[in-house]
Amino acid sequence: DVVMTQSPLSLPVTLGQPASISCRSSQSLVHSDGNTYLNWIQQRPGQSPRRLIYKISNRESGVPDRFSGSGSGTDFTLKISRVEAEDVGVYYCMQGTHLFTFGPGTKVDIK
Amino acid sequence: EVQVVESGGGLVKPGGSLRLSCAASGFTFTNAWMNWVRQAPGKGLEWVGRIKRKIDGGTTDYAAPVKGRFTISRDESKNTLYLEMNSLKTEDTAVYYCTAWATYWGQGTLVTVSS
Repeated sequence: DVVMTQSPLSLPVTLGQPASISCRSSQSLVHSDGNTYLNWIQQRPGQSPRRLIYKISNRESGVPDRFSGSGSGTDFTLKISRVEAEDVGVYYCMQGTHLFTFGPGTKVDIK
Repeated sequence: EVQVVESGGGLVKPGGSLRLSCAASGFTFTNAWMNWVRQAPGKGLEWVGRIKRKIDGGTTDYAAPVKGRFTISRDESKNTLYLEMNSLKTEDTAVYYCTAWATYWGQGTLVTVSS
């Protein structure tokens, strides 16, 4: 089974400052079809999950461009260029190459 | 407008059974690989299982903790996904979400397994 790890698990940030979350998988997420099904999921307090990024770096419709994803193979990163109050919540990386597996989540809050 | 609405949650005793439903609209349900994901109180997201679309065989896969106890099915005529849960354990207590490709998510339904 694929294991997803994230760091840090807790990320206090200052409004307007950048933030970065790392995600690593225990095996390559490159699918036999050539795609890498690495997603970033946001869950705001009291809300359902919402996908922000799919296939490493593609933003879902309506996702602000301050969110960006990068990486390849087994190492991936989510960056927020300037954190806003509405970005508070838990961020999960999630692989969809080998069934689904979620990372443990990174809790982002405001300092 | 896309809507994904789960229902059927509730309180059940250990060893009991429950069936969850997920009604989908606003997207082509027959094209969707559908998944169930759960979240225990105060914990992270955990994948439960999935069902492929019919043209891809309609086959199912399950996470190890639920394999042999949970069954996922779909009714294309009703645009509805199901999760049949048997031999429930206290550790199955969670909010259960239905999701299409991880793109569309419902609001979740709470299942509490307790005596």
